[in-house]
Amino acid sequence: DAGITQSPRYKITETGRQVTLMCHQTWSHSYMFWYRQDLGHGLRLIYYSAAADITDKGEVPDGYVVSRSKTENFPLTLESATRSQTSVYFCASGTSVLEQYFGPGTRLTVT
Amino acid sequence: AQSVTQLDSQVPVFEEAPVELRCNYSSSVSVYLFWYVQYPNQGLQLLLKYLSGSTLVESINGFEAEFNKSQTSFHLRKPSVHISDTAEYFCAVSDQGGHNDMRFGAGTRLTVKP
Repeated sequence: DAGITQSPRYKITETGRQVTLMCHQTWSHSYMFWYRQDLGHGLRLIYYSAAADITDKGEVPDGYVVSRSKTENFPLTLESATRSQTSVYFCASGTSVLEQYFGPGTRLTVT
Repeated sequence: AQSVTQLDSQVPVFEEAPVELRCNYSSSVSVYLFWYVQYPNQGLQLLLKYLSGSTLVESINGFEAEFNKSQTSFHLRKPSVHISDTAEYFCAVSDQGGHNDMRFGAGTRLTVKP
């Protein structure tokens, strides 16, 4: 099916572990984004990518790593998870920053 | 950088009553403005946007928002709400300076009661 998917939908991990959140879109959108959603903060941009092999930092990039070797995939890695990274993570894609289509989210808990 | 303030964290209303969700922005340059809606356990969906032209923009499900440059506001309104409008609403801003990011407000939870 066409669209944007995220996996896993739910993840529990321990402090210090590495975890990767996956994002896949079938629209061939050039732009992809990662946000985290926390109560009282709305959504905050972690990283974005304007095209394959081009990534840039957003508002809260510390502790995260991204890559984009293929247009359709944009994985987000937490190299050493901390409790402060407990959040709901949303991936989005679009033809520009002005029209973004969001995935269903991944709820990550770091214990 | 641009920023957004949503003035109400929660808005409870009765069904068929009018509602206004308030949004103010701050930016040193001209902006694009957006309202997104998030239903429980789902991602965000674009509700409406202001890019240029008429300052009053409408969505297909009866919401409207007006861009007021002098008051730096983009309030969302609906004359008569339904139970199905219960959701979290986010205002967002992107500046026209070419920066590839969008800043979101903290959200307003709209609860429509029967």
